Amino acid sequence: KAGVTQTPRYLIKTRGQQVTLSCSPISGHRSVSWYQQTPGQGLQFLFEYFSETQRNKGNFPGRFSGRQFSNSRSEMNVSTLELGDSALYLCASSPGQPDYEQYFGPGTRLTVT
Amino acid sequence: AQSVTQPDIHITVSEGASLELRCNYSYGATPYLFWYVQSPGQGLQLLLKYFSGDTLVQGIKGFEAEFKRSQSSFNLRKPSVHWSDAAEYFCAAITGGGNKLTFGTGTQLKVEL
Repeated sequence: KAGVTQTPRYLIKTRGQQVTLSCSPISGHRSVSWYQQTPGQGLQFLFEYFSETQRNKGNFPGRFSGRQFSNSRSEMNVSTLELGDSALYLCASSPGQPDYEQYFGPGTRLTVT
Repeated sequence: AQSVTQPDIHITVSEGASLELRCNYSYGATPYLFWYVQSPGQGLQLLLKYFSGDTLVQGIKGFEAEFKRSQSSFNLRKPSVHWSDAAEYFCAAITGGGNKLTFGTGTQLKVEL
């Protein structure tokens, strides 16, 4: 099976702009989670979608949003970008239950200037 | 608050030496526990997981981890380190519903030849 894919891999945006990142999970997986990784804050959970519904949400401002489509592909959107949003954004997919491991994609490196 | 702690930020070992990376968790109930590895510029790869049962779990690449309830620990070990093991290692936990992983701050492993 193909792994988790994330597009684009690299992105440069300007403060105030918005950005949309995409994640295609492993075929058959219904859960997609998003994480932000920064040198200062480490790996932080953003949100999880399962069967098109947000199942869990981390402690991020409302500028961060996501959605999941019927084919389980997911997008996350960040509006009004700030310099502090520069990070590696990782997507993980799993069949849906906590006792299955999550498979991570390579990430999207977002740089905000 | 629920948390995962990795006390060692950096560890340096010689190739062929044994390795132990420490992880402690703070949860009301025993969470599901994981160890992930991340090479530079890459996503996260699952090394092993603990859900229940045998407290010594075997993973990929010759790694193992031991769950100790009395110490709230889940330390990662390898008998003989290879230069290719140089990477960052993350301990993580899930509790409750969904797939929200809480990560430790990571341990950067350097292997001296």
